Amino acid sequence: EAQVTQNPRYLITVTGKKLTVTCSQNMNHEYMSWYRQDPGLGLRQIYYSMNVEVTDKGDVPEGYKVSRKEKRNFPLILESPSPNQTSLYFCASTRGSGSSYEQYFGPGTRLTVT
Amino acid sequence: SQKIEQNSEALNIQEGKTATLTCNYTNYSPAYLQWYRQDPGRGPVFLLLIRENEKEKRKERLKVTFDTTLKQSLFHITASQPADSATYLCAPSRGFSGTYKYIFGTGTRLKVLA
Repeated sequence: EAQVTQNPRYLITVTGKKLTVTCSQNMNHEYMSWYRQDPGLGLRQIYYSMNVEVTDKGDVPEGYKVSRKEKRNFPLILESPSPNQTSLYFCASTRGSGSSYEQYFGPGTRLTVT
Repeated sequence: SQKIEQNSEALNIQEGKTATLTCNYTNYSPAYLQWYRQDPGRGPVFLLLIRENEKEKRKERLKVTFDTTLKQSLFHITASQPADSATYLCAPSRGFSGTYKYIFGTGTRLKVLA
């Protein structure tokens, strides 16, 4: 089954404690992306990756890091989480050029930073 | 800066009627526009894509229009059903010939009353 998986699904942590949210897709997609979703602000893109070792900032990259060492994986790293990073996070992937550019989203990770 | 506007007020309609949702954008010239459905606590699901050279696109009970002069897309659900109740997001984009970013509207919550 074609899918995007994220782990963990729920996470409560404390300010400053480094964390990683994993994302994996099994569709051989080139393009992957991370979003955060907050009430009233909608989905905002954090980082995206066009392919292995190619990443770029989205609209809200501050406080986040990403890496793309393998095509299927795109982890999101919060080196020093703060309460304003409490949010619902989604990973997504898409095939890339020549496709309909539709994004396949993961189930989401609800992060709470206290 | 680019701005995507969707009606933030929830839209309540009676079962069987046609629901019409609006997406307006400013400071942007998208090559295409996507519509997604999102259920509470879940990732968005792709519904339809319309390109800038297309006036209208249909898929089953769904219809999307794209007016680049008005900078607006309309999303219609005909013969609406309670199962259509969800939040609908629009996402204009330049595709993979430019910024590679995705920008989403904040979404319109649709409730279809039985």
